[in-house]
Amino acid sequence: DIQMTQSPSSLSASVRGRVTITCRASQSISTYLNWYQQKPGKAPKLLIYAASSLQSGVPSRFSGSGSGTDFTLTISSLQPEDFATYYCQQCYSTPPTFGGGTKVEI
Amino acid sequence: EVQLLESGGGLVQPGGSLRLSCAASKFTFSDYAMSWVRQIPGKGLEWVSTISASGGSTYYAASVKGRFTISRDNSKNTLYLQMNSLRADDTAVYHCAKNLRLGELDNWGQGTLVTVSS
Repeated sequence: DIQMTQSPSSLSASVRGRVTITCRASQSISTYLNWYQQKPGKAPKLLIYAASSLQSGVPSRFSGSGSGTDFTLTISSLQPEDFATYYCQQCYSTPPTFGGGTKVEI
Repeated sequence: EVQLLESGGGLVQPGGSLRLSCAASKFTFSDYAMSWVRQIPGKGLEWVSTISASGGSTYYAASVKGRFTISRDNSKNTLYLQMNSLRADDTAVYHCAKNLRLGELDNWGQGTLVTVSS
């Protein structure tokens, strides 16, 4: 199975600040990498697919980059509604696997 | 707006069985593969199973293979997960999710809690 390692596991940031979350795969996954946002008590929400494609309806302050084994999710100007937990997921091979999550706190 | 509504969760004893359902609406259910993903409360996400749009192909996590069965009824727009020989470590919130072409999960249900305990 491909292991997905996210860092950091948590971070503190300020409104209007810039946030960067990294995700590393245990082997190359090309750009088969997705990012999700989850708020407490809610279902995960797809933000980014194929490493850098913005899902419809997601604000442009979210962006993704990377290929191979190293990926990044960036929030350019953090908004109050962005405080949540973020997960990466590889869909290069079965089983699809998720990173452990990054909790973004105030 | 796509709607996915899970049901069927609850408290079950170790070794018991449970069948989860996911009622889908506001999209052409028979066009999409569907998945189950579980989450231990307060913990991360774990993929459980995926079924193709037609139902002809199914895939399972090693941890549930041989115990869980995914199925779908395209005439009823409903996804199922039959869970047998349940163990304490199956305790989690189970979400159903709609798959897109590359395997990304673009819509998720709120989930149904399964608790396995004596």
